Amino acid sequence: GENVEQHPSTLSVQEGDSAVIKCTYSDSASNYFPWYKQELGKGPQLIIDIRSNVGEKKDQRIAVTLNKTAKHFSLHITETQPEDSAVYFCATDNTDKLIFGTGTRLQVFP
Amino acid sequence: ETGVTQTPRHLVMGMTNKKSLKCEQHLGHNAMYWYKQSAKKPLELMFVYNFKEQTENNSVPSRFSPECPNSSHLFLHLHTLQPEDSALYLCASSQDGRRETQYFGPGTRLLVL
Repeated sequence: GENVEQHPSTLSVQEGDSAVIKCTYSDSASNYFPWYKQELGKGPQLIIDIRSNVGEKKDQRIAVTLNKTAKHFSLHITETQPEDSAVYFCATDNTDKLIFGTGTRLQVFP
Repeated sequence: ETGVTQTPRHLVMGMTNKKSLKCEQHLGHNAMYWYKQSAKKPLELMFVYNFKEQTENNSVPSRFSPECPNSSHLFLHLHTLQPEDSALYLCASSQDGRRETQYFGPGTRLLVL
């Protein structure tokens, strides 16, 4: 079945720096790649997604890139702020369900 | 707020108790999901309901019993749970059961003693 690997598991950055989280997947038929942010005490919230017909999508300080040939996609956060601190999950679709990565705990230090 | 609410937010139960988790979505979606979130593990899909019909049961033990009376409400009935069932249980909904954006509730933090 589909396997999604996410790296790194933890990431610490200084406020204002950029953060990059990368996911790789195994099923070449995957077409939908969302990223979720989970803050303490809350459920995961969709922050950005990309479909396989585009290679990059940007929304203010966050962007996602997709390389279908290499089967990996990445989340980029620029000008990080303390409120970006959370756990981030990537996911991909597989036979009508989402398969999630193991999560990355991002800490942004002021 | 995502439009998906869950109650209770926290639950402590003994192994012989019976309890139920409730989820309600106010988004007009047709598909609802139960996930289990344990520390350092990926989100585990448990059940999927599409138009009130169960379309996925991801090899979940029978001590977990879902119920979906309509497209807006989803329950998870719990009985004779084990300590390893302690986790955050998340409900989600989407427009339909296909590869669409899922919206999550805040979860129920369950502790089984």
